[in-house]
Amino acid sequence: NAGVTQTPKFQVLKTGQSMTLQCAQDMNHNSMYWYRQDPGMGLRLIYYSASEGTTDKGEVPNGYNVSRLNKREFSLRLESAAPSQTSVYFCASRGLAGGRGTGELFFGEGSRLTVL
Amino acid sequence: SQQGEEDPQALSIQEGENATMNCSYKTSINNLQWYRQNSGRGLVHLILIRSNEREKHSGRLRVTLDTSKKSSSLLITASRAADTASYFCATNQAGTALIFGKGTTLSVSS
Repeated sequence: NAGVTQTPKFQVLKTGQSMTLQCAQDMNHNSMYWYRQDPGMGLRLIYYSASEGTTDKGEVPNGYNVSRLNKREFSLRLESAAPSQTSVYFCASRGLAGGRGTGELFFGEGSRLTVL
Repeated sequence: SQQGEEDPQALSIQEGENATMNCSYKTSINNLQWYRQNSGRGLVHLILIRSNEREKHSGRLRVTLDTSKKSSSLLITASRAADTASYFCATNQAGTALIFGKGTTLSVSS
């Protein structure tokens, strides 16, 4: 039972390079999320997908793009990486609780990105 | 943006003592959730309390919610060294994603 799987776990980029963080969940959840975690800032929402075929911006979407490839997969792309995007990125998914979408989040183990 | 704010930022206690963390938020919510994060790991859900509930228990965890004060507290009783982690509250409005606070770092020494 894998839950939420993120790849890669670690990545070092140079400024201006691009990369895609991959996320997959095997729990048949409708909603998926990308957060970034920085020291002293807690978790901040980048983008989310409430259901397959939809995506919405969160608190800090600038410099990122996302793709909800299918129900299982939700990728986060950095088109031109900047040092300010050095962070730990977490993908999460959520099912439905009583049909009201208020269930708990299940998190991946994180992807640690350094931009030089 | 709506965000829970935990207090204190850091807490150090001895094994066997109780740990209390507080969370304040800004706007009306559907529910409030608490999560735990061990160092270098992803977050794990601990407990969810709905806006029409005032108190909830799960093992050694007790959560209260005061919607009039827009605040919640998480009590961990009889703390263990293994409880050392960061704890986050997260608030959920209808139809939106969860918004997290900055967390409380708990250190339990033996």
